[in-house]
Amino acid sequence: NAGVMQNPRHLVRRRGQEARLRCSPMKGHSHVYWYRQLPEEGLKFMVYLQKENIIDESGMPKERFSAEFPKEGPSILRIQQVVRGDSAAYFCASSPPMAGQNTGELFFGEGSRLTVL
Amino acid sequence: AQTVTQSQPEMSVQEAETVTLSCTYDTSENNYYLFWYKQPPSRQMILVIRQEAYKQQNATENRFSVNFQKAAKSFSLKISDSQLGDTAMYFCAFRETSGSRLTFGEGTQLTVNP
Repeated sequence: NAGVMQNPRHLVRRRGQEARLRCSPMKGHSHVYWYRQLPEEGLKFMVYLQKENIIDESGMPKERFSAEFPKEGPSILRIQQVVRGDSAAYFCASSPPMAGQNTGELFFGEGSRLTVL
Repeated sequence: AQTVTQSQPEMSVQEAETVTLSCTYDTSENNYYLFWYKQPPSRQMILVIRQEAYKQQNATENRFSVNFQKAAKSFSLKISDSQLGDTAMYFCAFRETSGSRLTFGEGTQLTVNP
C-alpha cells in the first residue's frame, strides 16, 4: 500500500494517560500535516512538518500536544495527560515538495480515532 | 486568514437527480487551489475534484463538476446522476499555491435517497 499509513486506527486511553499517533507519509512525500476532527465537525488544522522541522504549529493547543517528524521513521503526534475533550479522529496527510509534481492536493490517511474514557 | 464557508449543513437528493453544494471562501491571494473532498461513513477523506485559481475553465471529473466564480469567491460542486454511493459528508477546501495548510469548510452532509 503506497498510501498514507496511520496507526493505530483506534486507540482508547483513560484520562491522564498519553496517546501517541503515528503517520508514515506516501513515498516521496516530505511534508506532513495533522488535522483533528471532532464529532460532527470539520477538519481543523493542527500542525505542518517537514523532516526534522516544524513549519507551522499555529493550530496546536499550547499545552499537552506535540508533534515531530524525525529524519528516520514516521511522524508522531503526542498527546500527554489526555482529557475527554481530546476524543476525536486525528488525520494525517502528506504532500510532495512544493516544487516538482505538486498539484496542491493533500493525500490523507484513514485517521486514528482516539477515545478517552 | 483564509476562511471557507459551507452554508448547507445537510442536503438530500433523489437517486439519478442533480444536486449542487455551495461553498464560498475569503482570501486576498490571487493564486490558490480549491478542492472538494468526500468523507463517506468509512471516514476516509477522498479527493473529488480540484480547481486551480488561475485556470478559468471549470474542472470536471465524470459526474462531478464545479462552478468556479473567482470574483465572487464561490466554488460550488455539482453532482449529476446522483448515486447511492455519493452519500457522504462533502468538504470544500482552500490552499494557497505558495502556502501549506489546507483550510476546510464545516461540511455538507449529502444523502442520496433511492
